[in-house]
This record gives sequence, structure tokens and C-alpha cells, in this order.
Amino acid sequence: GQQVMQIPQYQHVQEGEDFTTYCNSSTTLSNIQWYKQRPGGHPVFLIQLVKSGEVKKQKRLTFQFGEAKKNSSLHITATQTTDVGTYFCADLETSGSRLTFGEGTQLTVNP
Amino acid sequence: ETGVTQTPRHLVMGMTNKKSLKCEQHLGHNAMYWYKQSAKKPLELMFVYSLEERVENNSVPSRFSPECPNSSHLFLHLHTLQPEDSALYLCASSRSHVDIRNPYTTYEQYFGPGTRLTVT
Repeated sequence: GQQVMQIPQYQHVQEGEDFTTYCNSSTTLSNIQWYKQRPGGHPVFLIQLVKSGEVKKQKRLTFQFGEAKKNSSLHITATQTTDVGTYFCADLETSGSRLTFGEGTQLTVNP
Repeated sequence: ETGVTQTPRHLVMGMTNKKSLKCEQHLGHNAMYWYKQSAKKPLELMFVYSLEERVENNSVPSRFSPECPNSSHLFLHLHTLQPEDSALYLCASSRSHVDIRNPYTTYEQYFGPGTRLTVT
């Protein structure tokens, strides 16, 4: 089945530094969703990307979908301690029901 | 809060016990899901229900038995579990049908807080 790989697995940054996590697949992704899970919490939806080459921004977060729809990235500018958590990408199949999650990138931010 | 509730939040059970996890969504969604989240593993999809019909069973052992009596409620019945079944069990809900009028409709999943299960 569809496999979604995410790197890095862990990232430690100083507050104010930038952070990027990458999501890759050997096959074409349908739609990409990004979720954030705070420590001890549950995944919370951030955004969905649908179109090839799409770029969306949410304040300090920038999401990109590759031109070939085989990769995606999440970039956080000037991290804050509130950004701590695990960021997951997930491929949403065209029926709209099944999500295949990547392994996630766990971000820690040192104040 | 996300509008998806799960009970209990924590559960410790022996391998011979029978217990059930409950999930309820108040969002008017028509699809519900069970996921297993273990340490250092990606979220594993277990079951999908769409319009109260099970549409996916992701090779889950028979000691896990789902039940969806209506579109708002989802149960996971547990019996004779193994220690390796200890994990966080997450329920989620979403809309399920592709909106042909708008192919870019977002079908985000709303997750409940999870049940932390420990099998002793």
C-alpha cells in the first residue's frame, strides 16, 4: 500500500530558529494533510494541500506540495515554545476517507 | 475541544479481561475511525466506518471487534489482549463522501483525546 516517509524523526532547535519537516512518497500522493500533536495530546488538523506546487501559509507556518505531488514540506519560521509537538503528514485517498500517516517529526524548542 | 469524546481515558486490563472503548462525535460526520498509536510508530489505521458500514478492516486481530450502532457512536470491544496491544487508541470522525461540486473540499479528521490502554 501507499507509504509516506517523513524526515527527520526528531528535531531540536533553539527558540527563534527555523524548522522544516519533509514528507516523501515513491508514488503520487492524492491530497496531503498536515496534523500537529502536542505532547500528551491528540492530532489536530492544520491544513490540506491538493494542487501540484501549492503553497499555503498560516502565520509562521508555510506548507508546500511538490510539483510532482510526491513530496510535501512544512516550514516554521522563528520557532516558539508553543510549536513543540509532533508534526505528521498524511496522504488522503481520493475517496476522502482513508489517511495514511507518516511517522511524524518530533520538534522540541529550547527557550 | 474537538467535538469527539472518548471513554475511558485510561484503562488497565489483564489479558483475560473483556472491555470496551467508547467514542462519540457531535460534529454531524458520517465516517468514524479507530487508530492505534504506539511509541515510535506511525498512526495505524484499524477500522473505518462510513454511514455505519465497515468499509475497512486493516488486518486487525480478531481480539479487537468494532461496533458502530449509529453515525455518532463507535465502540471497540477488546478481549484476550496481549501486552503488545498496549498503546494509545484514538477515535476520529470526518465527512466521507466526495463533494463533486467542489473537489477541493477538505476532509479533515477530528480526533478524540484517546484511551491510554495498558495490558498487563
